[in-house]
Amino acid sequence: DGGITQSPKYLFRKEGQNVTLSCEQNLNHDAMYWYRQDPGQGLRLIYYSQIVNDFQKGDIAEGYSVSREKKESFPLTVTSAQKNPTAFYLCASSIPRLAGEVGLGGELFFGEGSRLTVL
Amino acid sequence: RKEVEQDPGPFNVPEGATVAFNCTYSNSASQSFFWYRQDCRKEPKLLMSVYSSGNEDGRFTAQLNRASQYISLLIRDSKLSDSATYLCVVKENGNKLVFGAGTILRVKS
Repeated sequence: DGGITQSPKYLFRKEGQNVTLSCEQNLNHDAMYWYRQDPGQGLRLIYYSQIVNDFQKGDIAEGYSVSREKKESFPLTVTSAQKNPTAFYLCASSIPRLAGEVGLGGELFFGEGSRLTVL
Repeated sequence: RKEVEQDPGPFNVPEGATVAFNCTYSNSASQSFFWYRQDCRKEPKLLMSVYSSGNEDGRFTAQLNRASQYISLLIRDSKLSDSATYLCVVKENGNKLVFGAGTILRVKS
């Protein structure tokens, strides 16, 4: 079955450590995204990538880094520079763009999320 | 002012009730609108897009009012399984997707 797989589902980190969250999709989607969700707030965009070897900062990119070396994979590293990293992290991809269509579509397919807790 | 605002709820309703949520958005140039559903501690999933003329999908009806800059979601004959958080999502000019914080619905037997 096609889908998006995030790992790990739960992760505990000590302050000062970098951690990398994995996101893999076999939907053949061009675009992939990382969001962060905190209680009482909407999802906020961290980084997104519309094509292999290219990615853009979202609204809250500070303290995070990504790579997009393969179409299927879009890992997110939460660095020690991120001051408040405890959150629910969601990876998503969007359906292929139609000819002439640009930018983000409306339907995002999400992974099951990774819940990061900093101790 | 938040770009997309929703009443957080929770809305507690009995089975069979009709319930409606509103969502307001601040950017008048917003292009497209969506409702997502998110179950507790799970990922969001697209419930329905919102078309200018309004649209219906079974027990769910979505409406858009561009003049007042709000969208609504109406759920008829609520089921226990409708209990979830409903996220309003607005696609702004430049293709940015902005998520509301969500409205919690609890349907009780």
